[in-house]
Amino acid sequence: EAGVTQFPSHSVIEKGQTVTLRCDPISGHDNLYWYRRVMGKEIKFLLHFVKESKQDESGMPNNRFLAERTGGTYSTLKVQPAELEDSGVYFCASSQDVGHTDTQYFGPGTRLTVL
Amino acid sequence: AQTVTQSQPEMSVQEAETVTLSCTYDTSESDYYLFWYKQPPSRQMILVIRQEAYKQQNATENRFSVNFQKAAKSFSLKISDSQLGDAAMYFCAYSSRGTYKYIFGTGTRLKVLA
Repeated sequence: EAGVTQFPSHSVIEKGQTVTLRCDPISGHDNLYWYRRVMGKEIKFLLHFVKESKQDESGMPNNRFLAERTGGTYSTLKVQPAELEDSGVYFCASSQDVGHTDTQYFGPGTRLTVL
Repeated sequence: AQTVTQSQPEMSVQEAETVTLSCTYDTSESDYYLFWYKQPPSRQMILVIRQEAYKQQNATENRFSVNFQKAAKSFSLKISDSQLGDAAMYFCAYSSRGTYKYIFGTGTRLKVLA
């Protein structure tokens, strides 16, 4: 069974540009999550999808970040326009909807560098 | 608000030896879950072990075990017979019942010396 995949693995962009990160969850997983780790700090929750619906986006930093999950399959996270403080590693995770005891499976992350 | 603290940014252990990674957390909840995740360089973050707060027995998974002290809000990870493949960043995480949100610590980088 394929794990959670993320693309690209690395992205380097200039301040003011737009970047789109993609996450493909494990097949059949209705729950999809985005997290972010700024250098040296903790991994922080950004948002949670159940299928195509946003259940909790309380961690999204501001309106420069837009997450979508069309058709309830893969998800994209767009940053527009990117700022220096957006640099970090963006993790995606997925889980089956079997209640709270379910484990989240993480992808390898996308390392975003904004210059 | 819940917080998770990992006070050891980096640890080293000799191959075949035992190492303990520390994690403390703060919460007013009584029903929650604790996790240790491992992320090898440039690879997937994988679950090492999980503990339900209502269980008194410490979780174990082969060479990995935890020391869960609920009253002290401590959740340390012990790795026995360390192997080169154990070298990774280790994250401690918390999740309370009723939410899917994980709260992570800052991570501990473990080096295994041959």
